[in-house]
Amino acid sequence: ETGVTQTPRHLVMGMTNKKSLKCEQHLGHNAMYWYKQSAKKPLELMFVYNFKEQTENNSVPSRFSPECPNSSHLFLHLHTLQPEDSALYLCASSQVADTQYFGPGTRLTVL
Amino acid sequence: RKEVEQDPGPFNVPEGATVAFNCTYSNSASQSFFWYRQDCRKEPKLLMSVYSSGNEDGRFTAQLNRASQYISLLIRDSKLSDSATYLCVVNPGRGTSYGKLTFGQGTILTVHP
Repeated sequence: ETGVTQTPRHLVMGMTNKKSLKCEQHLGHNAMYWYKQSAKKPLELMFVYNFKEQTENNSVPSRFSPECPNSSHLFLHLHTLQPEDSALYLCASSQVADTQYFGPGTRLTVL
Repeated sequence: RKEVEQDPGPFNVPEGATVAFNCTYSNSASQSFFWYRQDCRKEPKLLMSVYSSGNEDGRFTAQLNRASQYISLLIRDSKLSDSATYLCVVNPGRGTSYGKLTFGQGTILTVHP
């Protein structure tokens, strides 16, 4: 399936690096989401965008900065991360209030 | 109390067995409910929505008890390919809370020959 794509699939970065995760959805949806999945923990919602407007910031540290230039693209800019930020970062999209479809995720390791 | 609570398992069952997973949720105003499946190192995928009247999709049956704030998933005639983590998911679904899915930690199922 290629409905929601994410790049890169794997990323290793140092604590002083700046990197960006990219998500693209080809489903015509109007809502996009970032989630974090750490080992042994439930998926945690980070950000929600509806019609390109951020409607939810779930108390995420400022070292994570989302950007939604249009309803098909979503970025997560990373800066000065900590080792505990290592996790699987999942993007999802939906029609507002409908079923969410997930991308394959970016597995991030912070050294 | 966790917002969505599941028995993490693991459940180890033989092929052909029937297995049931349970889930409880704390927000009584929650509007919609789902079971997602997540294979190892893959993304979650919707397995089925859960309706108040209960619903069935082949070997899978989902039920909702709003009074007890309880959701269940029953898998009959288990296949090896059913091995995965099953995620209970709740959506408040009202106003600005829509889309704010809350996930349980998942129940691990392993089906063996």
